[in-house]
Amino acid sequence: DIQMTQSPSSLSASVGDRVTITCRASESISTYLNWYQQKPGEAPKLLMFDASKMIYVALSLQSGVPSRFRGSGSGTDFTLTITSLQPEDFATYYCQQSFSPPWTFGQGTKVEIK
Amino acid sequence: EVQLVESGGGAVRPGGSLRLSCAASGFTFDDYAMGWVRQAPGKGLEWVSSINWNGDSTTYADSVRGRFTISRDNARNSLSLQMNSLRAEDTAMYHCVRDVGYTRGNWFDPWGQGILVTVSS
Repeated sequence: DIQMTQSPSSLSASVGDRVTITCRASESISTYLNWYQQKPGEAPKLLMFDASKMIYVALSLQSGVPSRFRGSGSGTDFTLTITSLQPEDFATYYCQQSFSPPWTFGQGTKVEIK
Repeated sequence: EVQLVESGGGAVRPGGSLRLSCAASGFTFDDYAMGWVRQAPGKGLEWVSSINWNGDSTTYADSVRGRFTISRDNARNSLSLQMNSLRAEDTAMYHCVRDVGYTRGNWFDPWGQGILVTVSS
């Protein structure tokens, strides 16, 4: 199975800060990497697929994910960057590899208010 | 609006069985694979199982293979998970997910709110 390791496990940041979360795969997964956001008491929500792509809402051609979220990486190392942290971004973030089953997730990174 | 609503959870003793259901709406159900992802209390996410669009292909996590069975009814826009020989470590919130792609390059979107399964004596 492909192991996914996120760092840090948690971080404290202030509104307006630039935040970077790292995800490392135990073997190369090309760009088959997804990111999810989970707020307390809510179901996870897809942020990004294929390492850096956002889902566009049909017809409106608008992404449901703000442009301050940026994904990058390929091979074994990936990052999720929030360029200017907003109050609604405080949540736990998970990466997930979609290279080969079983589909595996990182352990999560909790972003807390400083 | 795309919606996934789970039902059928609850408390069960070790060794018991439970059947989860997921009602899908807002999209053409038989255009997509579907799946289940679980989250133990205070823990991370674990993919459990997926089924392709017509039900003739299924995949399972090693932790549940041989005990859980995923199925779907496209006429009723419904997904099910039959869980047998339940263990304490199966205690979790179970989320129904649309598995977009099913094979390499897939993603899970959207997610149902989840249904709690508690396995305890």
